[in-house]
Amino acid sequence: GQNIDQPTEMTATEGAIVQINCTYQTSGFNGLFWYQQHAGEAPTFLSYNVLDGLEEKGRFSSFLSRSKGYSYLLLKELQMKDSASYLCAVTDSNYQLIWGAGTKLIIKP
Amino acid sequence: GAVVSQHPSWVICKSGTSVKIECRSLDFQATTMFWYRQFPKQSLMLMATSNEGSKATYEQGVEKDKFLINHASLTLSTLTVTSAHPEDSSFYICSAYPDQQVNTAPYEQYFGPGTRLTVT
Repeated sequence: GQNIDQPTEMTATEGAIVQINCTYQTSGFNGLFWYQQHAGEAPTFLSYNVLDGLEEKGRFSSFLSRSKGYSYLLLKELQMKDSASYLCAVTDSNYQLIWGAGTKLIIKP
Repeated sequence: GAVVSQHPSWVICKSGTSVKIECRSLDFQATTMFWYRQFPKQSLMLMATSNEGSKATYEQGVEKDKFLINHASLTLSTLTVTSAHPEDSSFYICSAYPDQQVNTAPYEQYFGPGTRLTVT
């Protein structure tokens, strides 16, 4: 079966750095997405990785290792508004998006 | 670009009635749209894939006669929850694949703002 694992919840301090990991086992791979979702709102796109390596976009970076079936989202200089759920999703060989359960990130002052 | 709207944003209905939710791609065409449901503190659950001009593909466990999907044009898909019951109360979100890639991420889904359904 297809499976995406990410921690259920993480806590970090304002101004710090946090890394949210995601491991996946899917039938094929056509890219990995990270989305941010605030409570009661729809997901918003953060990043996309299809090749190995690090993609940096401002305070957010995303890393992919296809051989390990592993990705992480790195958030720097955390702000209170970063408190949200972070969803990892993989596009499989049928170009269907397989979703992880999401990681709830709690930022403390 | 790549904006998706949903209407209504929230709705309260009585048990046994039907509710229609619209999903529109405002500035792009989308042959394929998706309907998700999300219960509190849970992740997105794909309900069905909606394809313009053909029948929707439902995920296992989703009753197609209860959740009617119509994708009548390249910019509009509708989800009708028929004979709604309190257990259908949820956050319903649609998304769309642009027929022509908009940004650098192929197969990126663009999400509507969601519809909160409460059945009393």
